[in-house]
Amino acid sequence: EIVMTQSPATLPVSPGERATLSCRASQSLSSNLAWYQQKPGQAPRLLIYGASTRATYIPARFSGSGSGTEFTLTISSLQSEDFAVYYCQQYNNWPLTFGGGTKVEIK
Amino acid sequence: QVQLVQSGAEVKKPGSSVKVSCKASGGTFSSYAISWVRQAPGQGLEWMGGIIPIFGTGNYAQKFQGRVTITADESTSTAYMELSSLRSEDTAVYYCARSHTPSIVGATTYPPLDYWGQGTLVTVSS
Repeated sequence: EIVMTQSPATLPVSPGERATLSCRASQSLSSNLAWYQQKPGQAPRLLIYGASTRATYIPARFSGSGSGTEFTLTISSLQSEDFAVYYCQQYNNWPLTFGGGTKVEIK
Repeated sequence: QVQLVQSGAEVKKPGSSVKVSCKASGGTFSSYAISWVRQAPGQGLEWMGGIIPIFGTGNYAQKFQGRVTITADESTSTAYMELSSLRSEDTAVYYCARSHTPSIVGATTYPPLDYWGQGTLVTVSS
């Protein structure tokens, strides 16, 4: 099973600032990496797939990069609605696996 | 617009089973993988397994092999997840989620999860 490791676990950021989240895979994924956003009491929402392709209706301030084993999610200018938990997920192989999450909180 | 509507909350005794349903509407059902993902209180996301309805065979995470059964009924566009031998650690919100592109014969993975159900809280308590 591919192990996904996210860092940091918690990221304090001021509104309007940039947030950079990291995700590392235990083996190469090519670009088969997705990012999700989850707010309290809600289901996750797909943000990015193919490591860098934004899902439908996702604002341009969200961007993804990386390939192989190292990936990054960048939120260019944090809005109030962006404070949430973010998960990376590999879909290169079964079983699908998620990282432990990064909580982006207000600084 | 695709919608996934799950069955309601359940309270179960240890050792029993639970079956959660996930009814899809607004899109094609048969060729899109449906996954089941759970989230224990205050914890992260955990993929349990999935199914491509048109092919009918479930794929399961090793951790749940032998305890989980995922099925799909194409006639009603409904997927099901049954978990047996319940223990307190199975207390969680269970989500169904549909992949954002169709699957093909011989697939060795499921595409990313684009549409999610509202979640079903399963509480296991004596």
